[in-house]
Amino acid sequence: DAKTTQPPSMDCAEGRAANLPCNHSTISGNEYVYWYRQIHSQGPQYIIHGLKNNETNEMASLIITEDRKSSTLILPHATLRDTAVYYCIVRVAGTGANSKLTFGKGITLSVRP
Amino acid sequence: SAVISQKPSRDICQRGTSLTIQCQVDSQVTMMFWYRQQPGQSLTLIATANQGSEATYESGFVIDKFPISRPNLTFSTLTVSNMSPEDSSIYLCSVELGTSGFTDTQYFGPGTRLTVL
Repeated sequence: DAKTTQPPSMDCAEGRAANLPCNHSTISGNEYVYWYRQIHSQGPQYIIHGLKNNETNEMASLIITEDRKSSTLILPHATLRDTAVYYCIVRVAGTGANSKLTFGKGITLSVRP
Repeated sequence: SAVISQKPSRDICQRGTSLTIQCQVDSQVTMMFWYRQQPGQSLTLIATANQGSEATYESGFVIDKFPISRPNLTFSTLTVSNMSPEDSSIYLCSVELGTSGFTDTQYFGPGTRLTVL
């Protein structure tokens, strides 16, 4: 079972920041928070991941609370192409089958013009 | 990241037949995975494709139904055997690439959309 909970959906206006929340209250010290998105039944696209520090890349920022029980993915300037299902996934550190991805239902982000 | 391709991109098959899906990556990778996404659902891991040994299947998936081959470090196949309409899904392969050197990241192929009549 997925170890994260996300609201089922949210929307935001084009050009505004989209803040996608995720709860992972049972996260362990050796587990990372990963974010993927899936646009219209394409293969999931990796966005970002982090352990405890905030992370930023060209796609998004990841803000993890100090107690690590929740996080927020921020798309700074949402566009219509950001409309997708966003998955927040907790994953054990390491490689291979012992650190597999378990997908929950995700949150559907709708960006409106 | 890596360039991952899957063939076919979609297919419509008759029940009782089998379909083999190919996954090709443009660089050598240690770990490859196969997922299923049933209509309106999230992704479920089917198995880990191990190079040089038998695949490791998740609970609820068996080798007779989903045989997997991994002949080298850039290629894998998943066969959906004796298909029924319940097998209609998107099948996705993914590969694991090292980034931090401690926790690797999975990247996904475009998927194969299978419809079984």
